[in-house]
Amino acid sequence: GENVEQHPSTLSVQEGDSAVIKCTYSDSASNYFPWYKQELGKGPQLIIDIRSNVGEKKDQRIAVTLNKTAKHFSLHITETQPEDSAVYFCAASDGNQFYFGTGTSLTVIP
Amino acid sequence: KAGVTQTPRYLIKTRGQQVTLSCSPISGHRSVSWYQQTPGQGLQFLFEYFSETQRNKGNFPGRFSGRQFSNSRSEMNVSTLELGDSALYLCASSLGGNRRTEAFFGQGTRLTVV
Repeated sequence: GENVEQHPSTLSVQEGDSAVIKCTYSDSASNYFPWYKQELGKGPQLIIDIRSNVGEKKDQRIAVTLNKTAKHFSLHITETQPEDSAVYFCAASDGNQFYFGTGTSLTVIP
Repeated sequence: KAGVTQTPRYLIKTRGQQVTLSCSPISGHRSVSWYQQTPGQGLQFLFEYFSETQRNKGNFPGRFSGRQFSNSRSEMNVSTLELGDSALYLCASSLGGNRRTEAFFGQGTRLTVV
């Protein structure tokens, strides 16, 4: 089955700096890659996603890049704000189920 | 448009008991997936239901079961609870016709087994 690895597990940045979270996957059949943000006491919230026919997607301060050849995808958050502090999960889907990374705890220091 | 609703939010059960959790998907969504979230194991896939049929299943013992009703609401049951079943149980709903559509999560049910 699919194996998704996510790095780093924790990340601290100063407010206004950028944050990058990276994920790799193993199954070339995976074709959909969402990112979720989970705040304390809440369920994961879909923040951005990318499909295998696209290399990059941007939504305001958030962007995701996908390298199918290398089987890795990354989340980029620019101009970070304290409210960006949360746990972020990447996932890969082969059309049957989602396989999640182990999460990155992001702390934005004011 | 209402989001995914899970009830109850919190549960405390004794080892050996059974528990039933409920998930109401977003209106129009026909697929419901269940996940177990623990600090050590992350998000683990339990099963997915689509149009009242289990479409996919993760690697959990038979004590974990589920079902889906004609209105797409889903229930998950865990029998003979063990201490290790303590976790946040999340359900996610999606349209389901095309499995690569977005999945939206509920707030989860926090189960504590004592």
